[in-house]
Amino acid sequence: GAVVSQHPSWVICKSGTSVKIECRSLDFQATTMFWYRQFPKQSLMLMATSNEGSKATYEQGVEKDKFLINHASLTLSTLTVTSAHPEDSSFYICSAPGQREEQFFGPGTRLTVL
Amino acid sequence: AQSVAQPEDQVNVAEGNPLTVKCTYSVSGNPYLFWYVQYPNRGLQFLLKYITGDNLVKGSYGFEAEFNKSQTSFHLKKPSALVSDSALYFCAVSGTALIFGKGTTLSVSS
Repeated sequence: GAVVSQHPSWVICKSGTSVKIECRSLDFQATTMFWYRQFPKQSLMLMATSNEGSKATYEQGVEKDKFLINHASLTLSTLTVTSAHPEDSSFYICSAPGQREEQFFGPGTRLTVL
Repeated sequence: AQSVAQPEDQVNVAEGNPLTVKCTYSVSGNPYLFWYVQYPNRGLQFLLKYITGDNLVKGSYGFEAEFNKSQTSFHLKKPSALVSDSALYFCAVSGTALIFGKGTTLSVSS
């Protein structure tokens, strides 16, 4: 099946710094990718839809200036958490759609903000 | 709006016994339904999906799910649970992106 990678798999940063997370589709092209956020033992909450060549679409309540999304190519989307704070600590997961409604998920990135 | 509900936060079952993880859905039109499993600090692994066709869908690792339109349910089942099945299970419905249920923790005891 199709593979989606994320980098880094985990990151620890100081409060106030910015962190970039990459999501790549390794063997297929994705004009759309999705970014989710997951708190411990909770569900995945859709943050935004990343669109290649255009602006991302953010879900209600998600700060677009804080969570910058760039879909630079047909295989790469990046999520930058700007001026990170401890409450931004979470597990961030991306996905890319395949055929027949299926989604392929990355392995996730654990962000810890000190 | 499309949504799925997982009424149980946790399901406990003994190894070798059958297991069921419940999911109900609310969609307009034909539902595209999915089950995913997540192990600690890992991404999601696809188990199975229902798009159309047979109501009984067979998936990975011996899991299956039955689509029941009259009850708007899509329960995940396995005839004989393994300790290694212990994980967090998500039911999801397809919209533009996937919309997930809150998840059910499955604990299989030896």
